Amino acid sequence: DTGVSQNPRHKITKRGQNVTFRCDPISEHNRLYWYRQTLGQGPEFLTYFQNEAQLEKSRLLSDRFSAERPKGSFSTLEIQRTEQGDSAMYLCASSRGAYNEQFFGPGTRLTVL
Amino acid sequence: GEDVEQSLFLSVREGDSSVINCTYTDSSSTYLYWYKQEPGAGLQLLTYIFSNMDMKQDQRLTVLLNKKDKHLSLRIADTQTGDSAIYFCAEDQASTGNQFYFGTGTSLTVIP
Repeated sequence: DTGVSQNPRHKITKRGQNVTFRCDPISEHNRLYWYRQTLGQGPEFLTYFQNEAQLEKSRLLSDRFSAERPKGSFSTLEIQRTEQGDSAMYLCASSRGAYNEQFFGPGTRLTVL
Repeated sequence: GEDVEQSLFLSVREGDSSVINCTYTDSSSTYLYWYKQEPGAGLQLLTYIFSNMDMKQDQRLTVLLNKKDKHLSLRIADTQTGDSAIYFCAEDQASTGNQFYFGTGTSLTVIP
């Protein structure tokens, strides 16, 4: 069990560019979550997969954000036409089982200039 | 998110008990959680409680749940300097398809 990994750990981009982040969950975890965390706030739910199916997406999530989990294993989160307000830490978590204990990755810190 | 509320700061002396409070929103939440986040580190699950329980004890941690008032608390006995961190409560909101909502976090400072 190597834990949840995320890549890259840091990303600096210019406004208007597209970025893609990757999350590798703990193997055999069927649920995968994406969150965004800004300074002084708790993680904000973005979206959630059960296996390869995207079951829920925050109603606050812009259409510029899209996530996939093509084979029910790793997931990608893409942000198109980035804006300065997208600067944040993007966290991924995975879980399985009834009580949904989520294990978090270290996050990808995005800075949009 | 979605109005899971916590007080922002708490300061206690080493050896005292700490009590961190949380008010959540969804009465149909099945599980409620406490997470710890240390500077530069990821979120770590400390404990959780099932919604049909009033109390859960796990070593130095005691979770109390008042469903009527939608109030959750975390008590840390014999608080140590290593307990200094930000503590988040979270709920698994059944009413929103199991979207997970975190509070804003309580920053606990333990004074030696």
